[in-house]
Amino acid sequence: NAGVTQTPKFQVLKTGQSMTLQCAQDMNHEYMSWYRQDPGMGLRLIHYSVGAGITDQGEVPNGYNVSRSTTEDFPLRLLSAAPSQTSVYFCASSYWAGSYEQYFGPGTRLTVT
Amino acid sequence: AQSVTQLDSQVPVFEEAPVELRCNYSSSVSVYLFWYVQYPNQGLQLLLKYLSGSTLVKGINGFEAEFNKSQTSFHLRKPSVHISDTAEYFCAVSGKDVQGAQKLVFGQGTRLTINP
Repeated sequence: NAGVTQTPKFQVLKTGQSMTLQCAQDMNHEYMSWYRQDPGMGLRLIHYSVGAGITDQGEVPNGYNVSRSTTEDFPLRLLSAAPSQTSVYFCASSYWAGSYEQYFGPGTRLTVT
Repeated sequence: AQSVTQLDSQVPVFEEAPVELRCNYSSSVSVYLFWYVQYPNQGLQLLLKYLSGSTLVKGINGFEAEFNKSQTSFHLRKPSVHISDTAEYFCAVSGKDVQGAQKLVFGQGTRLTINP
């Protein structure tokens, strides 16, 4: 199993550009989520999904869009990048958000200039 | 809604000394508690978790944590640390929000630095 994979590992965008961060898992997990990690702020939940076709907002959803057309994939779209979105982004998956371990991808380091 | 506070942003410790990383949480309902570790330039991986039962939970790499319901705490401990324990540690709580959705919320992280 590859686990949770994320692409790209690094990305530099100009303000106003859009892009999609890819996330895929091969563990047949129903629950997937996106976090951003900023110094001193821990991980903050952006969006999550409890299954294909179902998504919901987390703590910091503004400026991001998600969809879940398959169990395996959960892409995160930045609609119009801003410098405040410079961060490290992690995708995670698990059987359920409750008692099960979250499996994290290696992260995408995004810089917006 | 649940929240997590890690009381120390940085903890420097000498090798082979004991360490405690503090975590307090707030939630109005039953929760599940976790500690994750992040080594430099990597994603997070699970150290241990508390679901129910014994309040002392043992995890990987010699770490353990104690759930204290009355103090709403879940502190992480290791009796003797090693250089390889240098990492950032995150406490997390899983519970239901006001809409009834199950969510995982992380603390701000504690950077553990082991000095020789």
